[in-house]
Amino acid sequence: EDQVTQSPEALRLQEGESSSLNCSYTVSGLRGLFWYRQDPGKGPEFLFTLYSAGEEKEKERLKATLTKKESFLHITAPKPEDSATYLCAVRGRGTSYGKLTFGQGTILTVHP
Amino acid sequence: DSGVTQTPKHLITATGQRVTLRCSPRSGDLSVYWYQQSLDQGLQFLIQYYNGEERAKGNILERFSAQQFPDLHSELNLSSLELGDSALYFCASSAGTGVRSGANVLTFGAGSRLTVL
Repeated sequence: EDQVTQSPEALRLQEGESSSLNCSYTVSGLRGLFWYRQDPGKGPEFLFTLYSAGEEKEKERLKATLTKKESFLHITAPKPEDSATYLCAVRGRGTSYGKLTFGQGTILTVHP
Repeated sequence: DSGVTQTPKHLITATGQRVTLRCSPRSGDLSVYWYQQSLDQGLQFLIQYYNGEERAKGNILERFSAQQFPDLHSELNLSSLELGDSALYFCASSAGTGVRSGANVLTFGAGSRLTVL
């Protein structure tokens, strides 16, 4: 059974204070690791897909990296508008494209 | 606006009742997915339809059922509701083709919040 564990559960940062969110996963044959952002009262919004160890993707202040056991979401010089819940999900071998296993998320709060 | 439309946004009902949640996917997307989000379980995959046919099932209860219509909109039916069914129900859509193409990115709607009293 695929499993995803995210840490920390919550993270408070000052504006400009860089940090990283962790996503540890167990999956039989990784077919994709996904990062989503979720704002209160809204649905998850797609950020990145990573497929193989060593892969990196960047978008503005966010950078996602992948190893064989975990993924990191690095946030550089965050701003208050980066405050949200960040969700990590995986798809394993033999599962449908949209059947993702999500972690519990990391609630990020960035103070001005 | 993600392009995925869900109605109703909020729904309050009583135990034992039945409700229907509706989802219109993004224009051109053939796949529809239903997820349940609760505080203790997080986001859980329920079921997927592709162009009207069921493609994958998760831990969906027997009291729950879904279908996708010829116009590609989908409905999730929840019956004999229990207190524990209170949750956010999300619909997502994708073009549903390819392995590594952007077509497999799930676009989520804003969700339907169900409260069972």
